[in-house]
Amino acid sequence: AQSVSQHNHHVILSEAASLELGCNYSYGGTVNLFWYVQYPGQHLQLLLKYFSGDPLVKGIKGFEAEFIKSKFSFNLRKPSVQWSDTAEYFCASRGGTDKLIFGTGTRLQVFP
Amino acid sequence: GAGVSQSPSNKVTEKGKDVELRCDPISGHTALYWYRQSLGQGLEFLIYFQGNSAPDKSGLPSDRFSAERTGGSVSTLTIQRTQQEDSAVYLCASSFEGYSNQPQHFGDGTRLSIL
Repeated sequence: AQSVSQHNHHVILSEAASLELGCNYSYGGTVNLFWYVQYPGQHLQLLLKYFSGDPLVKGIKGFEAEFIKSKFSFNLRKPSVQWSDTAEYFCASRGGTDKLIFGTGTRLQVFP
Repeated sequence: GAGVSQSPSNKVTEKGKDVELRCDPISGHTALYWYRQSLGQGLEFLIYFQGNSAPDKSGLPSDRFSAERTGGSVSTLTIQRTQQEDSAVYLCASSFEGYSNQPQHFGDGTRLSIL
């Protein structure tokens, strides 16, 4: 069965620190990859997605992610986080079926 | 425009009771998904509807769970004889098509608590 692993369960950073959240997926075929964000008290929102083409994907709010096929990874990055980035981040993959397979999420806390 | 709407936002019920959760997808979206978000478990796929095709029920955890989608729009997720392990946030999502490059839009979820 497909799976998505997010290795960082809880990340605590100070404002202006750089962020990298790990995500590894298992599906070996053509895959679509997503990062969703859930701000406190809000619903899940799409942050960015990769379908094909340039493996470096730019998303909203200064986030980006790099698809590295050889490593089955799709890590999320941001050069300088803000307090408003405090949220839970979910990586998801879709390959071979219509189902999104989610990771368990990473809780990010940013302190001013 | 309106997003995905779910009701109720919170539901508290006693073990053994049946519950119904409702999802109104974004108008025109042909695909509808149900997920469950349990504490420490991440998001778990439950069921998927796409147009008039037979739903993909592969994620339903037991035969106590069922879902229907009437008229290709509103969906109801029913849990019969609820158990404490059913406590979770149930999320609904919809997309324009169920495949390829269409992102899913999520509702706010229904927080279900089984006493």
